[in-house]
Amino acid sequence: AQKITQTQPGMFVQEKEAVTLDCTYDTSDPSYGLFWYKQPSSGEMIFLIYQGSYDQQNATEGRYSLNFQKARKSANLVISASQLGDSAMYFCAMREGSGAGSYQLTFGKGTKLSVIP
Amino acid sequence: DAGVTQSPTHLIKTRGQQVTLRCSPISGHKSVSWYQQVLGQGPQFIFQYYEKEERGRGNFPDRFSARQFPNYSSELNVNALLLGDSALYLCASSFGTGWAGELFFGEGSRLTVL
Repeated sequence: AQKITQTQPGMFVQEKEAVTLDCTYDTSDPSYGLFWYKQPSSGEMIFLIYQGSYDQQNATEGRYSLNFQKARKSANLVISASQLGDSAMYFCAMREGSGAGSYQLTFGKGTKLSVIP
Repeated sequence: DAGVTQSPTHLIKTRGQQVTLRCSPISGHKSVSWYQQVLGQGPQFIFQYYEKEERGRGNFPDRFSARQFPNYSSELNVNALLLGDSALYLCASSFGTGWAGELFFGEGSRLTVL
């Protein structure tokens, strides 16, 4: 089974609107971390936000928030007030707390977000 | 402060050749990881090194090898290149190996194998 699933290959959003990018994950480890990265055309992976499995509150970083639903194993990224510069690939990733998954990030296939003026 | 730097940024090789990719981590970071990203996919883990020792290895053949130097910089070597090795190779650094720690990525080395 895939550990990280991103079901939206591409998304469009109007400038200044909010958008939600979906991510579901699969792990039996009680300790894990969930990450979102942005990858512009330059190739660099830019860290956006992190959520730990034991965190009680949803993570927020500026215009980014993570909608963490542990029972459903989902970690959706919400971008508020979209800007043209938000157009990029977005990757959800997980790092497990133990075993082979503890020293690597496992990435989903990504969602290409396009912001329309 | 300099981020993670990788070289070369682009390179073209032919099948059967060997390639060496280089990575300098952020100052003070002791852990370096390598990822392969083929077109249209998310990055896949290749290696993690910490304090010059291999701490983890992904599902890649022995043609892939790496090492970390005393200054924490790292090299990724790929022998007997195949067309399927064409990809963006990303290096990431972090201070430690803690699983909750943020990884900082470089812009990658884009390898084309003809």
